Amino acid sequence: GENVEQHPSTLSVQEGDSAVIKCTYSDSASNYFPWYKQELGKRPQLIIDIRSNVGEKKDQRIAVTLNKTAKHFSLHITETQPEDSAVYFCAVTPDSWGKLQFGAGTQVVVTP
Amino acid sequence: DAGVTQSPTHLIKTRGQQVTLRCSPKSGHDTVSWYQQALGQGPQFIFQYYEEEERQRGNFPDRFSGHQFPNYSSELNVNALLLGDSALYLCASSKGVGYTFGSGTRLTVV
Repeated sequence: GENVEQHPSTLSVQEGDSAVIKCTYSDSASNYFPWYKQELGKRPQLIIDIRSNVGEKKDQRIAVTLNKTAKHFSLHITETQPEDSAVYFCAVTPDSWGKLQFGAGTQVVVTP
Repeated sequence: DAGVTQSPTHLIKTRGQQVTLRCSPKSGHDTVSWYQQALGQGPQFIFQYYEEEERQRGNFPDRFSGHQFPNYSSELNVNALLLGDSALYLCASSKGVGYTFGSGTRLTVV
């Protein structure tokens, strides 16, 4: 089955710096790659997603890049703010309606 | 526009008991998926319901069962509870691309 590895497990950054989280996957049939942000005690919220026919997508301070050949995709957060502190999860699925296989999560801490 | 609502928010059960969790999908969504999230881990897929049928299932034992009603709402049932079933149970609804998650039910088995 699909295996998703997410690194790093924790990430501490100074406010204003950039944060990068990387995920690798094993199933070449995967074609939908969402990222979720989960604050303590709250539900996962979709922050950005990308499909396999696109190499990069950007939404304000957040961007996702996908390398299908190498089977990895990354989340980039620029100009980090304290409210970016949360756990971030990557996920993959071979079909946009199907089951999501999640990474183990990255705890991001942004210090003022 | 209501999002995904789950009930109850918290639940404490004893080993061996049975539990039923409920989920109302976001308006306009017709597909409901259930995930189990243990502390400090990513959500694990339990199963997905579409048109009142189980469409996909993850690696969970038969103690985990579900149902979807004609109004698209769904239930997750867990029988013979084990201590290891303690987790946050998340419901996610969708119609086509993208999921919306509910806030979850925190189940504690003692």
